[in-house]
Amino acid sequence: EVQLVESGGGLVQPGRSLRLSCAASGFTFDDYAMHWVRQAPGKGLEWVSGISWNSGGIDYADSVKGRFTISRDNAKNSLYLQMNSLRAEDTALYHCAKDEEVAGTWGNAFDIWGQGTMVTVSS
Amino acid sequence: QSVLTQPPSVSGAPGQRVTISCSGSSSNIEAGYDVHWYQQLPGTAPRLLISGDNNRPSGVPDRFSGSKSGASASLAITGLQAEDEADYYCQSYDSSLSGWAVFGGGTKLTVL
Repeated sequence: EVQLVESGGGLVQPGRSLRLSCAASGFTFDDYAMHWVRQAPGKGLEWVSGISWNSGGIDYADSVKGRFTISRDNAKNSLYLQMNSLRAEDTALYHCAKDEEVAGTWGNAFDIWGQGTMVTVSS
Repeated sequence: QSVLTQPPSVSGAPGQRVTISCSGSSSNIEAGYDVHWYQQLPGTAPRLLISGDNNRPSGVPDRFSGSKSGASASLAITGLQAEDEADYYCQSYDSSLSGWAVFGGGTKLTVL
């Protein structure tokens, strides 16, 4: 079964850090770009960051650039998001998502989504 | 405020046809970048409905279809069913922005 399972969310104070993980199974992880997409409570979807299959291509939304770092470990079939200098506006459910295209980067659909891990930034 | 504009809500009776629009500009949809559509049922993760403007992934009923013209795209749902009540999002790429993807603000579909 193709599956993405996120972990690492929680309650954190403003200015602190958190590291999210996403464990992939059921497909050849190192063939595909991966993404993080977040959804604030009661709000819509926001693309956060993406990483190419070999980590050669990485990009971020302006809202997180300079604070968040995406990475992957293909040997462990895992995707990560290091979140530093967290703000209240980063409070959201964070989903990892698989790119639809082999060796894709930008502009493709996301065909597999995890259920998400909740990050709450509050003092 | 997203660069892809969707109506906040649409509604229809069971059996009817509804469309959800996604309006963009010359730096995204009109430039020819693919439009994708997602369905998000309450309390669940988004599900890919349409990719590449009008392609249905395996398992998506043919009641769902996508189209694109100029700077806009649309998702059509025919034979509306109660289980279609959900939030729907369009997604594309915008060459004037940093980042690999942009989403529309989402549309809540209510089945009357």
